[in-house]
Amino acid sequence: DTAVSQTPKYLVTQMGNDKSIKCEQNLGHDTMYWYKQDSKKFLKIMFSYNNKELIINETVPNRFSPKSPDKAHLNLHINSLELGDSAVYFCASSRVLSGAYNEQFFGPGTRLTVL
Amino acid sequence: GEDVEQSLFLSVREGDSSVINCTYTDSSSTYLYWYKQEPGAGLQLLTYIFSNMDMKQDQRLTVLLNKKDKHLSLRIADTQTGDSAIYFCAESWGGYNKLIFGAGTRLAVHP
Repeated sequence: DTAVSQTPKYLVTQMGNDKSIKCEQNLGHDTMYWYKQDSKKFLKIMFSYNNKELIINETVPNRFSPKSPDKAHLNLHINSLELGDSAVYFCASSRVLSGAYNEQFFGPGTRLTVL
Repeated sequence: GEDVEQSLFLSVREGDSSVINCTYTDSSSTYLYWYKQEPGAGLQLLTYIFSNMDMKQDQRLTVLLNKKDKHLSLRIADTQTGDSAIYFCAESWGGYNKLIFGAGTRLAVHP
């Protein structure tokens, strides 16, 4: 039973294309996230949604647009892909309890390669 | 600003103890976390510590927190080859939804 799933696992595409990555969680969590992990393994948050509302929006090019159709899904659409977008993208989810404990559950990642 | 720092590499012999260190910046962080990432996989929460604690022990894992110096460490006793992974320290920042991760420490365990 997969908790946080992402599709596709690998994505190879040409510069200038538009692509989407999908994420689903079956944990009943109310908050979902997108992270970008670069080749040096540095992990940086991009977006977060709580109950379908955008609550974190880091300094990310507006070519990246997240969409949350419901609490269990958070998709990431990327327009006009650039070489620098090549990375592993992780989706995560959490239920933020009182007292601010925030255990995040991560998906397996989507490795995006832009040629 | 937001910054969590870790050393990038650690190599230990199987059976020895490993100590991974981390410094963070947000003194108001309520919880601090250690995540583990195995090759080709996402991150998994390994352990965490509440900010009013100095130490937390969980089987082979010991977390030490020095709030004055904003220093966090993870000790793995009797390190095994299965412990080879990247370990990320994380702090909560400016509100409970945002976690700031360190660059990760790659632990290599050799016979």
